[in-house]
Amino acid sequence: EAGVTQSPTHLIKTRGQQATLRCSPISGHTSVYWYQQALGLGLQFLLWYDEGEERNRGNFPPRFSGRQFPNYSSELNVNALELEDSALYLCASSFDFGATGELFFGEGSRLTVL
Amino acid sequence: AQSVSQHNHHVILSEAASLELGCNYSYGGTVNLFWYVQYPGQHLQLLLKYFSGDPLVKGIKGFEAEFIKSKFSFNLRKPSVQWSDTAEYFCAVKSSSNTGKLIFGQGTTLQVKP
Repeated sequence: EAGVTQSPTHLIKTRGQQATLRCSPISGHTSVYWYQQALGLGLQFLLWYDEGEERNRGNFPPRFSGRQFPNYSSELNVNALELEDSALYLCASSFDFGATGELFFGEGSRLTVL
Repeated sequence: AQSVSQHNHHVILSEAASLELGCNYSYGGTVNLFWYVQYPGQHLQLLLKYFSGDPLVKGIKGFEAEFIKSKFSFNLRKPSVQWSDTAEYFCAVKSSSNTGKLIFGQGTTLQVKP
């Protein structure tokens, strides 16, 4: 069974540009979660999508947005990039997070903003 | 707001030494608690979790954790570490209500010397 897949693995952008990151959840998982892992800050919750709807978002500005497609894959968009957006962006999926609390993570997309 | 604090950022041990990683959380309601692990070059994966019942929970690879409600703690332990336990360890907490949000600590890097 394929795990959570993310693309691209690495992305280099300059300040002010836009970045788009993609995620395919494990087959059968309807929820997708995005986390930012910046150096020394652990994982910060960004967004939660379930059944195509945004269900919750973390304490990030509106220039962080995303969507979930009918096939449950998801993309994260970061507009007007700033230097501090440089981080590893992790996507996770779950089958029944409320009951199990278990997230299945991808290997991440590393975004570098120059 | 919920928060998770991990006491040690970097721990170095020799093989066969005992391990205890501290984790404290801040949340007034009922919580579910987790330890995730990220081995070098791999994705984050669940090590163990506590939902209810026996406060001493056992996970994979000989790890265990004890939930002490009065101390808001969920420390991770292993009696005898191996070189293969070298990894980054994250404590995480979620509200028992399904907000889709798993709050992570900053992580502890464990280095085990052979």
